[in-house]
Amino acid sequence: EIVMTQSPATLSVSPGERATLSCRASQSVSSNLAWYQQKPGQAPRLLIYGASTRATGIPARFSGSGSGTEFTLAISSLQSEDFGVYYCQQYDNWPPWTFGQGTKVEIK
Amino acid sequence: QVQLVESGGGVVQPGRSLRLSCAASGFSFSNFGMHWVRQAPGKGLEWVAVIWYDGSNKYYTDSVKGRFTISRDNSRNTLYLQMNSLRAEDTAVYYCARGDYTSEWKLSDFDYWGQGTMVTVSS
Repeated sequence: EIVMTQSPATLSVSPGERATLSCRASQSVSSNLAWYQQKPGQAPRLLIYGASTRATGIPARFSGSGSGTEFTLAISSLQSEDFGVYYCQQYDNWPPWTFGQGTKVEIK
Repeated sequence: QVQLVESGGGVVQPGRSLRLSCAASGFSFSNFGMHWVRQAPGKGLEWVAVIWYDGSNKYYTDSVKGRFTISRDNSRNTLYLQMNSLRAEDTAVYYCARGDYTSEWKLSDFDYWGQGTMVTVSS
C-alpha cells in the first residue's frame, strides 16, 4: 500500500497571501495524483488531477506540480472561500486508493 | 448536472447490518466505476470499496473485506453498500463518488461526490 504524507498539518495564512501545501508518496506514483478540498460539513471537491490539471470550474489560482514522490499544491492568493482541509490522493497503484491525512488551511 | 445522493445511514448496534444507497443522475451511470469513501468523525478520508461500471470487478479495503458488499443496479442508476457485522470503528460519514478514468481507461481520481450519509455504530 502506498502511504501518502502531507505537510504541514495546519497552515495559517492571511487572505491574499500565497499558500503552499506538500504531499509525499512512499513510492513513485508518477503523475497519478489528485488534490481535493473539503470545507466543514461538506463533501470533498476535486481540485487537481494528473498532478497538475485543474478540474472543471477550479480557479486558476490553484496550481499543482510534481511527479514521482513529491507534489505541491499552491494557492496563489488565498480567498476567504479557500479555507478548509486539503487532501492529496494517489491512484497509481490500487487497490487501495490512498489519501494523505490532510492539511488544514486556516485564517491567520 | 451530476448528482449523487446517499441514503440509508443511521444508528445501529454493533454486529447488526445496514444498507446504504446512492442514487445517481445527470450522467450515464452504467459507464462509470463507483466508489464508497468514508470519513470517521474528525478524521481524514478512507477509501472503502469500488465496483466496475458493469459490476464485473469489486475491491475492498482490508478492514471491511468479508463484512461489506458493494453492488449496483444500472437499471435504477443506484449504487449500494451492504454493511454486515458492523463495528464501532465503522462509525463515519459514507460518501459515494464517481470514478474518473485516465486516457488509458484506467480508474483514476474521484470527480464527483455525494453529500454523504452518517453511520453510527453504538450500543
